[in-house]
Amino acid sequence: DTAVSQTPKYLVTQMGNDKSIKCEQNLGHDTMYWYKQDSKKFLKIMFSYNNKELIINETVPNRFSPKSPDKAHLNLHINSLELGDSAVYFCASSQVSGGVGNEQFFGPGTRLTVL
Amino acid sequence: AQSVTQPDIHITVSEGASLELRCNYSYGATPYLFWYVQSPGQGLQLLLKYFSGDTLVQGIKGFEAEFKRSQSSFNLRKPSVHWSDAAEYFCAVGARGYSTLTFGKGTMLLVSP
Repeated sequence: DTAVSQTPKYLVTQMGNDKSIKCEQNLGHDTMYWYKQDSKKFLKIMFSYNNKELIINETVPNRFSPKSPDKAHLNLHINSLELGDSAVYFCASSQVSGGVGNEQFFGPGTRLTVL
Repeated sequence: AQSVTQPDIHITVSEGASLELRCNYSYGATPYLFWYVQSPGQGLQLLLKYFSGDTLVQGIKGFEAEFKRSQSSFNLRKPSVHWSDAAEYFCAVGARGYSTLTFGKGTMLLVSP
């Protein structure tokens, strides 16, 4: 009964490859997010989707393309992977419409290592 | 632009001693404030949150935090630390509606026997 799940948990790949990370939430929330945590543990927002619509797109290379097939899923596809993409990627969700304070629930993270 | 400062990168506390982790924020409107904890190799777990009302909020695992608007602070406290509290702690600020969270850089809590 995991609230926010991500697959895979670990991802090791070569530079130049294309990879995807999947996220699913079973909380019935209307908004989902992708955050990147770098090697110094700093967490930064990448994207935010509300009801499958892109709401927030921070300054992220266009090699990163989020896709939300429905409200419960937000996937992250990364093209032409670079060494600097190595990080932990966290998915999160929250209920914005009718919600009180945008409390976000986080998935367990996907550790991406680019060799 | 909103920002969060956690001035302590590491803190070491003896087991059973009290704990206070500092957090200062900068935000133009009424802030919504959060403390999250991240154990090694794990995701982020919400400890507590402040939206409005009573400025002293209680959270899980015996943690509490106090919102002080005049000092732009939201410090996290625990009266008696357990070894299992050793983790990374993140303070975050957000807003109602379509808003993301801005995180501080985290404070690593080490617990000594």
